[in-house]
This record gives sequence, structure tokens and C-alpha cells, in this order.
Amino acid sequence: DSGVTQTPKHLITATGQRVTLRCSPRSGDLSVYWYQQSLDQGLQFLIQYYNGEERAKGNILERFSAQQFPDLHSELNLSSLELGDSALYFCASTAAAGPSYEQYFGPGTRLTVT
Amino acid sequence: TQLLEQSPQFLSIQEGENLTVYCNSSSVFSSLQWYRQEPGEGPVLLVTVVTGGEVKKLKRLTFQFGDARKDSSLHITAAQPGDTGLYLCAGTNTDKLIFGTGTRLQVFP
Repeated sequence: DSGVTQTPKHLITATGQRVTLRCSPRSGDLSVYWYQQSLDQGLQFLIQYYNGEERAKGNILERFSAQQFPDLHSELNLSSLELGDSALYFCASTAAAGPSYEQYFGPGTRLTVT
Repeated sequence: TQLLEQSPQFLSIQEGENLTVYCNSSSVFSSLQWYRQEPGEGPVLLVTVVTGGEVKKLKRLTFQFGDARKDSSLHITAAQPGDTGLYLCAGTNTDKLIFGTGTRLQVFP
């Protein structure tokens, strides 16, 4: 158990819909990263927040957005969903802001868009 | 765009065999991490290498960072079924972690 929690574990929805994925970092960690993992593209970095502020951005689509709240939990919002958005979505947390620190991953949310 | 290519993509071996997984890039990274991911779970960090030429050992696993900090290898001695999983290398630059394409290892008893 990494100490990072993600809900829901599974999500099935239709194209065009909007969903919200939630992540609670390990106690004391200030930084949250979001990743997308699909079969053909490996683990892709989406976005990072540190202590409530956006710190780094990866290959995140404009239809996707995220935020980190004062209690440090984070939400990833995916809108106008397409079939290609079906994937595993992971969040990870670290104590500090830099990417070289060990990232503790949650169990992931499996999103299926039908 | 920084890319990390891993080879082989898939590996099926018998218990007791040795294997090496390679992670290559044309870019220089400040450090490189290796993760293992099991089905239904998130990746778990195995090791971080920082210095060019650095070698780290973790029981039967040996990790090496290339002299130019562009490549890395993972060698497993006498593989066991418990080593089965997806192995991911990940390079760090100033603000993000770039994951490799992954090597899926299956060790049969």
C-alpha cells in the first residue's frame, strides 16, 4: 500500500460525457502528478501540482483539466470523452516538487469510454 | 520530445534464466529510475541512478546508468516467477519524469 488513494477504481461512461477522478496523496506529500497509461502508449505524464499550484504540464489535452485543493487532494476532470480516452489513470505523490524524488503511485482508475 | 525506448518489449523466460532489459534515449537525463508494475497496481520504484556509469545492486537485480547518462540497463540473475511484471525506466529532467515504453516480463516456473 503506497498510501495514495484514488477513486473510483473503475468508471464506465459514454462518449461525450464528463468525469472526475480523485486522488489523495500520501500524508505529508505536497506534490501530485497525473499520468495516463494506455496499451499502445505506455505511461504518459499529464500534469503536476505542488501545494495547490500547477507546476509542470505534459501531454494533457485541452479537454482535460486538473486542480489541487487546500487539503492537497487533487481532481482530474475529463470532458467531451472520446473512445481513445479509455485508459488507466494514475496519480502519484512526492514530498517535494522535483521529479527525481521517488513517486508513490496510487492503484489507478480504469476509465472505459463506450 | 524526449523519448525512452525499452527493449525487448516482451520477454518470456524460464525460472533460473538470466535476462537484461535496455533503456535507451538520445537525450541526457539528470537521473534515471526503474519501476516495476504488477497487474492492477501502480508502478513501484526499484532504484534511482544519478551518476554516469553508476551501478546499483538490489538482491538479484543489477542496474547500470550509462556513462553519458542517456541509457540504462537492468540485469536480473536467476529470474523467479515473482519477478513477473512490467518494468519501466523513467528519466528525469528539470520538471518532469519521462517514462520508457516498458518491458513486460513473464517468468515461468
